[in-house]
Amino acid sequence: DMKVTQMPRYLIKRMGENVLLECGQDMSHETMYWYRQDPGLGLQLIYISYDVDSNSEGDIPKGYRVSRKKREHFSLILDSAKTNQTSVYFCASRGQPNTGQLYFGEGSKLTVL
Amino acid sequence: QQQVRQSPQSLTVWEGETAILNCSYEDSTFNYFPWYQQFPGEGPALLISIRSVSDKKEDGRFTIFFNKREKKLSLHITDSQPGDSATYFCAANMGYKLTFGTGTSLLVDP
Repeated sequence: DMKVTQMPRYLIKRMGENVLLECGQDMSHETMYWYRQDPGLGLQLIYISYDVDSNSEGDIPKGYRVSRKKREHFSLILDSAKTNQTSVYFCASRGQPNTGQLYFGEGSKLTVL
Repeated sequence: QQQVRQSPQSLTVWEGETAILNCSYEDSTFNYFPWYQQFPGEGPALLISIRSVSDKKEDGRFTIFFNKREKKLSLHITDSQPGDSATYFCAANMGYKLTFGTGTSLLVDP
């Protein structure tokens, strides 16, 4: 069964704390993504990972970094979180290149106080 | 700069009516246009898609009309059902990058 799993689903942090959002997929997909979703802004691309240790900035990478040490696992890290990073974060993996077939997780809702 | 635009922001139709969701894009190198459907509390899921070499794609009650010259496309949902109430995202693909629009929130009243 094709599945993208995100942990945690809900997280509350104080400004300045570090945040780790984790994502796993069981489809052996090479390419994975992190997006954030805010009301009225749709989904904005933070980072793309083409495979292990092969990552590229998306449209809004500032304040974020990523780690991919295993193909099935992709992490998003916020060092010293800011209140404007309060959002819902989605991880996705892509099956076929040059198509829009992304498989999304259920999202991680982060609140930074 | 918003490369993919959607309108309207929200739309309400009666059950059985046809809902029309619009999308336009800037970059002529985009070659693949998926539409995603998202229910509250869930991640987006692929609904239907079209390649830039086609002008129409149909899947049951869902149809994409694509106008390459005008860089516009639309999603038509015929015989709308309350279960179709969701947010719909138009997206545009080039290579590894998928760019999303801001979404249309559809409500189907029974």
